[in-house]
Amino acid sequence: GNSVTQMEGPVTLSEEAFLTINCTYTATGYPSLFWYVQYPGEGLQLLLKATKADDKGSNKGFEATYRKETTSFHLEKGSVQVSDSAVYFCALAPLSGGFKTIFGAGTRLFVKA
Amino acid sequence: NAGVTQTPKFRILKIGQSMTLQCTQDMNHNYMYWYRQDPGMGLKLIYYSVGAGITDKGEVPNGYNVSRSTTEDFPLRLELAAPSQTSVYFCASSYSRGQGGVTNEKLFFGSGTQLSVL
Repeated sequence: GNSVTQMEGPVTLSEEAFLTINCTYTATGYPSLFWYVQYPGEGLQLLLKATKADDKGSNKGFEATYRKETTSFHLEKGSVQVSDSAVYFCALAPLSGGFKTIFGAGTRLFVKA
Repeated sequence: NAGVTQTPKFRILKIGQSMTLQCTQDMNHNYMYWYRQDPGMGLKLIYYSVGAGITDKGEVPNGYNVSRSTTEDFPLRLELAAPSQTSVYFCASSYSRGQGGVTNEKLFFGSGTQLSVL
Protein backbone atom coordinates (compact mmCIF):
# COMPACT_ATOMS: atom_id res chain seq x y z
CA GLY A 1 0.00 0.00 0.00
CA ASN A 2 0.85 3.65 0.00
CA SER A 3 2.84 5.09 2.86
CA VAL A 4 5.06 7.99 3.87
CA THR A 5 8.03 7.84 6.23
CA GLN A 6 9.73 10.96 7.52
CA MET A 7 12.52 11.53 9.97
CA GLU A 8 11.64 11.65 13.62
CA GLY A 9 11.94 14.86 15.52
CA PRO A 10 12.29 17.07 17.18
CA VAL A 11 14.92 18.83 15.13
CA THR A 12 16.59 21.74 16.92
CA LEU A 13 18.62 24.26 14.93
CA SER A 14 20.12 27.65 15.47
CA GLU A 15 18.93 30.56 13.36
CA GLU A 16 20.53 30.66 9.89
CA ALA A 17 21.42 26.95 9.98
CA PHE A 18 20.72 24.64 7.04
CA LEU A 19 17.65 22.44 7.32
CA THR A 20 16.97 19.01 5.87
CA ILE A 21 13.95 16.90 6.77
CA ASN A 22 13.99 13.52 5.10
CA CYS A 23 10.91 11.97 3.55
CA THR A 24 10.56 8.72 1.63
CA TYR A 25 7.43 7.18 0.23
CA THR A 26 5.96 3.94 -1.04
CA ALA A 27 3.33 4.14 -3.75
CA THR A 28 2.20 2.54 -6.94
CA GLY A 29 2.36 4.70 -9.99
CA TYR A 30 3.24 8.38 -9.82
CA PRO A 31 1.69 10.14 -6.86
CA SER A 32 1.78 13.85 -6.19
CA LEU A 33 3.95 14.80 -3.22
CA PHE A 34 3.41 17.57 -0.72
CA TRP A 35 4.92 19.27 2.29
CA TYR A 36 2.46 20.77 4.74
CA VAL A 37 3.37 22.97 7.72
CA GLN A 38 1.49 23.30 10.99
CA TYR A 39 2.20 26.34 13.17
CA PRO A 40 1.25 26.17 16.86
CA GLY A 41 -2.51 26.18 17.40
CA GLU A 42 -3.31 26.12 13.69
CA GLY A 43 -4.35 23.65 11.06
CA LEU A 44 -2.03 22.37 8.37
CA GLN A 45 -1.32 24.52 5.35
CA LEU A 46 0.34 23.62 2.11
CA LEU A 47 3.99 24.62 1.93
CA LEU A 48 4.93 23.19 -1.48
CA LYS A 49 4.14 20.39 -3.85
CA ALA A 50 5.47 18.45 -6.85
CA THR A 51 3.38 16.43 -9.24
CA LYS A 52 5.91 14.47 -11.31
CA ALA A 53 9.42 13.08 -11.19
CA ASP A 54 12.26 15.64 -11.06
CA ASP A 55 9.85 18.47 -10.29
CA LYS A 56 11.07 20.89 -7.65
CA GLY A 57 8.52 22.51 -5.38
CA SER A 58 9.52 25.72 -3.65
CA ASN A 59 7.99 28.31 -1.37
CA LYS A 60 9.23 30.75 1.31
CA GLY A 61 12.83 29.58 0.83
CA PHE A 62 11.92 25.90 1.24
CA GLU A 63 12.58 23.42 -1.55
CA ALA A 64 11.94 19.75 -2.23
CA THR A 65 12.67 17.67 -5.32
CA TYR A 66 10.59 14.69 -6.42
CA ARG A 67 13.11 11.85 -6.76
CA LYS A 68 11.48 8.77 -8.23
CA GLU A 69 14.67 6.71 -8.31
CA THR A 70 15.08 7.04 -4.54
CA THR A 71 11.35 7.50 -3.78
CA SER A 72 12.21 10.59 -1.77
CA PHE A 73 10.99 14.16 -1.32
CA HIS A 74 13.36 15.74 1.20
CA LEU A 75 12.60 19.23 2.48
CA GLU A 76 15.46 21.74 2.58
CA LYS A 77 16.01 25.35 3.51
CA GLY A 78 19.32 27.15 3.35
CA SER A 79 18.88 29.46 6.34
CA VAL A 80 16.14 28.88 8.88
CA GLN A 81 14.49 31.55 10.99
CA VAL A 82 12.83 31.40 14.40
CA SER A 83 9.51 31.86 12.61
CA ASP A 84 10.04 28.52 10.83
CA SER A 85 9.48 26.66 14.10
CA ALA A 86 6.56 24.36 13.35
CA VAL A 87 5.63 20.77 12.56
CA TYR A 88 6.29 19.67 8.98
CA PHE A 89 4.32 16.88 7.32
CA CYS A 90 5.27 15.04 4.17
CA ALA A 91 2.27 13.69 2.25
CA LEU A 92 1.34 11.92 -0.94
CA ALA A 93 -1.80 11.81 -3.03
CA PRO A 94 -2.06 8.73 -5.22
CA LEU A 95 -2.86 9.32 -8.85
CA SER A 96 -5.89 7.08 -8.53
CA GLY A 97 -8.16 7.84 -5.59
CA GLY A 98 -6.12 10.95 -5.04
CA PHE A 99 -8.49 12.42 -2.53
CA LYS A 100 -7.09 10.01 0.08
CA THR A 101 -4.01 12.02 0.92
CA ILE A 102 -1.62 10.04 3.12
CA PHE A 103 0.47 11.85 5.70
CA GLY A 104 3.72 11.09 7.42
CA ALA A 105 3.99 11.32 11.20
CA GLY A 106 5.32 14.88 11.15
CA THR A 107 8.65 16.37 12.20
CA ARG A 108 8.76 19.11 14.78
CA LEU A 109 11.34 21.84 14.15
CA PHE A 110 12.60 24.21 16.82
CA VAL A 111 14.75 27.14 15.72
CA LYS A 112 16.70 28.99 18.42
CA ALA A 113 17.67 32.65 18.13
CA ASN B 1 -12.08 34.91 3.63
CA ALA B 2 -13.03 32.36 6.32
CA GLY B 3 -11.91 29.15 4.54
CA VAL B 4 -12.61 26.08 6.70
CA THR B 5 -14.17 26.78 10.08
CA GLN B 6 -14.37 24.22 12.87
CA THR B 7 -16.16 24.42 16.20
CA PRO B 8 -15.59 23.94 19.06
CA LYS B 9 -11.84 24.44 19.52
CA PHE B 10 -11.71 22.44 22.76
CA ARG B 11 -14.04 19.96 24.41
CA ILE B 12 -13.94 17.53 27.30
CA LEU B 13 -16.36 14.62 27.25
CA LYS B 14 -17.15 11.91 29.73
CA ILE B 15 -17.08 8.30 28.60
CA GLY B 16 -20.35 7.42 26.90
CA GLN B 17 -21.36 10.97 26.03
CA SER B 18 -21.93 12.04 22.45
CA MET B 19 -21.19 15.21 20.54
CA THR B 20 -20.99 16.72 17.08
CA LEU B 21 -17.96 18.51 15.71
CA GLN B 22 -19.01 21.16 13.25
CA CYS B 23 -17.20 22.00 10.02
CA THR B 24 -18.14 24.47 7.34
CA GLN B 25 -16.28 25.79 4.29
CA ASP B 26 -17.05 28.78 2.11
CA MET B 27 -14.87 27.93 -0.90
CA ASN B 28 -17.47 25.82 -2.74
CA HIS B 29 -15.18 22.79 -2.50
CA ASN B 30 -16.74 19.50 -3.49
CA TYR B 31 -14.50 17.28 -1.34
CA MET B 32 -14.44 17.37 2.44
CA TYR B 33 -12.59 15.22 4.98
CA TRP B 34 -12.23 14.50 8.65
CA TYR B 35 -8.83 13.55 10.03
CA ARG B 36 -7.64 12.80 13.51
CA GLN B 37 -4.13 13.59 14.66
CA ASP B 38 -2.58 11.53 17.42
CA PRO B 39 0.86 12.42 18.83
CA GLY B 40 3.66 11.06 16.66
CA MET B 41 1.19 9.30 14.38
CA GLY B 42 0.47 11.80 11.67
CA LEU B 43 -3.07 12.24 10.38
CA LYS B 44 -5.52 9.42 9.87
CA LEU B 45 -8.56 9.79 7.61
CA ILE B 46 -11.85 9.11 9.42
CA TYR B 47 -14.47 9.89 6.75
CA TYR B 48 -14.62 11.82 3.54
CA SER B 49 -17.24 13.16 1.18
CA VAL B 50 -17.02 13.81 -2.56
CA GLY B 51 -20.16 15.93 -2.66
CA ALA B 52 -23.48 16.63 -0.96
CA GLY B 53 -25.24 13.41 -0.08
CA ILE B 54 -22.16 11.22 -0.63
CA THR B 55 -19.90 10.03 2.17
CA ASP B 56 -17.51 7.14 2.64
CA LYS B 57 -15.28 5.60 5.27
CA GLY B 58 -11.63 6.37 5.59
CA GLU B 59 -8.96 4.51 7.49
CA VAL B 60 -10.39 4.78 11.04
CA PRO B 61 -14.19 5.23 10.87
CA ASN B 62 -15.29 3.15 13.88
CA GLY B 63 -17.12 5.15 16.53
CA TYR B 64 -17.90 8.05 14.18
CA ASN B 65 -20.64 9.08 11.78
CA VAL B 66 -20.90 11.86 9.23
CA SER B 67 -23.45 13.48 6.98
CA ARG B 68 -23.21 15.92 4.08
CA SER B 69 -26.53 17.56 3.41
CA THR B 70 -25.00 20.69 1.84
CA THR B 71 -21.80 21.53 0.00
CA GLU B 72 -20.70 23.76 2.86
CA ASP B 73 -21.20 21.60 5.94
CA PHE B 74 -19.68 18.29 7.01
CA PRO B 75 -20.35 17.53 10.70
CA LEU B 76 -18.68 14.63 12.51
CA ARG B 77 -20.70 12.80 15.13
CA LEU B 78 -19.17 10.87 18.02
CA GLU B 79 -21.51 8.38 19.64
CA LEU B 80 -20.64 6.80 23.00
CA ALA B 81 -17.32 8.58 23.41
CA ALA B 82 -14.36 6.45 24.48
CA PRO B 83 -10.89 7.41 25.79
CA SER B 84 -9.41 6.10 22.51
CA GLN B 85 -11.13 9.01 20.77
CA THR B 86 -9.03 11.55 22.64
CA SER B 87 -7.28 13.32 19.79
CA VAL B 88 -7.10 16.48 17.73
CA TYR B 89 -9.63 16.50 14.91
CA PHE B 90 -9.15 18.36 11.66
CA CYS B 91 -11.66 19.07 8.96
CA ALA B 92 -10.33 19.75 5.48
CA SER B 93 -11.65 20.47 2.02
CA SER B 94 -10.41 20.42 -1.54
CA TYR B 95 -11.66 20.98 -5.05
CA SER B 96 -11.38 18.27 -7.64
CA ARG B 97 -11.54 18.86 -11.35
CA GLY B 98 -10.70 15.26 -12.10
CA GLN B 99 -12.92 12.57 -13.53
CA GLY B 100 -13.93 9.70 -11.32
CA GLY B 101 -12.65 11.38 -8.21
CA VAL B 102 -9.02 11.59 -9.28
CA THR B 103 -7.43 14.66 -7.85
CA ASN B 104 -4.09 15.88 -6.66
CA GLU B 105 -5.36 19.15 -5.35
CA LYS B 106 -4.12 20.59 -2.09
CA LEU B 107 -6.13 20.36 1.10
CA PHE B 108 -7.36 23.34 3.08
CA PHE B 109 -7.55 22.69 6.81
CA GLY B 110 -9.50 24.10 9.69
CA SER B 111 -7.71 25.02 12.91
CA GLY B 112 -8.70 21.83 14.70
CA THR B 113 -10.72 20.61 17.67
CA GLN B 114 -8.88 19.25 20.69
CA LEU B 115 -11.07 16.57 22.27
CA SER B 116 -10.44 14.78 25.54
CA VAL B 117 -12.56 11.85 26.70
CA LEU B 118 -12.21 11.15 30.40
